[in-house]
Amino acid sequence: GQQLNQSPQSMFIQEGEDVSMNCTSSSIFNTWLWYKQDPGEGPVLLIALYKAGELTSNGRLTAQFGITRKDSFLNISASIPSDVGIYFCAGHNTDKLIFGTGTRLQVFP
Amino acid sequence: DAGVIQSPRHEVTEMGQEVTLRCKPISGHNSLFWYRQTMMRGLELLIYFNNNVPIDDSGMPEDRFSAKMPNASFSTLKIQPSEPRDSAVYFCASSLNRGNTEAFFGQGTRLTVV
Repeated sequence: GQQLNQSPQSMFIQEGEDVSMNCTSSSIFNTWLWYKQDPGEGPVLLIALYKAGELTSNGRLTAQFGITRKDSFLNISASIPSDVGIYFCAGHNTDKLIFGTGTRLQVFP
Repeated sequence: DAGVIQSPRHEVTEMGQEVTLRCKPISGHNSLFWYRQTMMRGLELLIYFNNNVPIDDSGMPEDRFSAKMPNASFSTLKIQPSEPRDSAVYFCASSLNRGNTEAFFGQGTRLTVV
């Protein structure tokens, strides 16, 4: 099935560093969402974006809906150990949520 | 609300056996989705329902897979007969309605077919 391309695939950073990841698609989406998945759990919604150009924050997380509607970015500031996990972007068009390939984040103390 | 509830959390079965996965969506949510997650293919949408009616099952791998939603609070995904390549984590998710994009996921069922 269709998937969105996320980069980087994995990141290894030190506690306190900022993190940036992005998601690109060849298709236009009307909504972008970012999820985090902890080991053994289902994805949990972090941020939802509904308009091109929109910039939204949720605590230390900031996400943007790209102007072209074909990409989105997620930034995490001042990372902490509990930020460890896999981050997925998801694009929504018509009735379906299409998920990205994921970015695995590892935070070292 | 307890969120989306899936059962069982883990299932190990022999090849050829029938497997039934269960899902209870969040109360009041009218859309329900079944996803499969594997290392190779990531999160794939298998099928989704709106108001208990299947809307799109184009992601269902083959005829061995079937899904039902007999009422607003219960859905099943059945695999018969199961094969080793069906081993994956299966997630159920629900959202408020068809136009609402925010889907909430259950904890998943880890299926191992030996």
